Amino acid sequence: DTEVTQTPKHLVMGMTNKKSLKCEQHMGHRAMYWYKQKAKKPPELMFVYSYEKLSINESVPSRFSPECPNSSLLNLHLHALQPEDSALYLCASSQLQGGKETQYFGPGTRLLVL
Amino acid sequence: GNSVTQMEGPVTLSEEAFLTINCTYTATGYPSLFWYVQYPGEGLQLLLKATKADDKGSNKGFEATYRKETTSFHLEKGSVQVSDSAVYFCALSDLGNNDMRFGAGTRLTVKP
Repeated sequence: DTEVTQTPKHLVMGMTNKKSLKCEQHMGHRAMYWYKQKAKKPPELMFVYSYEKLSINESVPSRFSPECPNSSLLNLHLHALQPEDSALYLCASSQLQGGKETQYFGPGTRLLVL
Repeated sequence: GNSVTQMEGPVTLSEEAFLTINCTYTATGYPSLFWYVQYPGEGLQLLLKATKADDKGSNKGFEATYRKETTSFHLEKGSVQVSDSAVYFCALSDLGNNDMRFGAGTRLTVKP
């Protein structure tokens, strides 16, 4: 089983709202990732968690706040977003073997900020 | 740094035509190479991968061979179907890095 699940599938929020995106995997992977994908572009890495600790933050604005409560769950908390943050947010997971691992992606959450 | 370059799209083919999408890479080490496919409104699905030189990845009639001498990983399929219409991303990951480098993506449209 190589399934990564994400909820919700779609989300519409105002610029003053607070919402959270959720990601879950049960493959025993110890690395989890958040990506942002704009239309007709490749995914852009936002955050990486390794063994539930934040290991990479690609200079993402503080209105995005990641959380990894355990080895199976990854959250992305959203607050005071801007319309330009509208995008597809993808979660991925992989094993941790020093690099070269395969990343498995979820179906994404399509976010619209009004 | 590591990077991936893939052919510009969009690519439009008739059903049963032969498909090639070119992908070349730059890497300091010996990366793993991947092709991901993204159908409209969906996330990325792993299509195939290769982890060392001369490896051939294959899945669903698609193939790609890891060519170290030409630093390439071109995607091929002998006979495309309408259901293959999607965006295809070439990607690499390398030792010591958690991040995966993606190409720009190539949109394929197959017409009946």
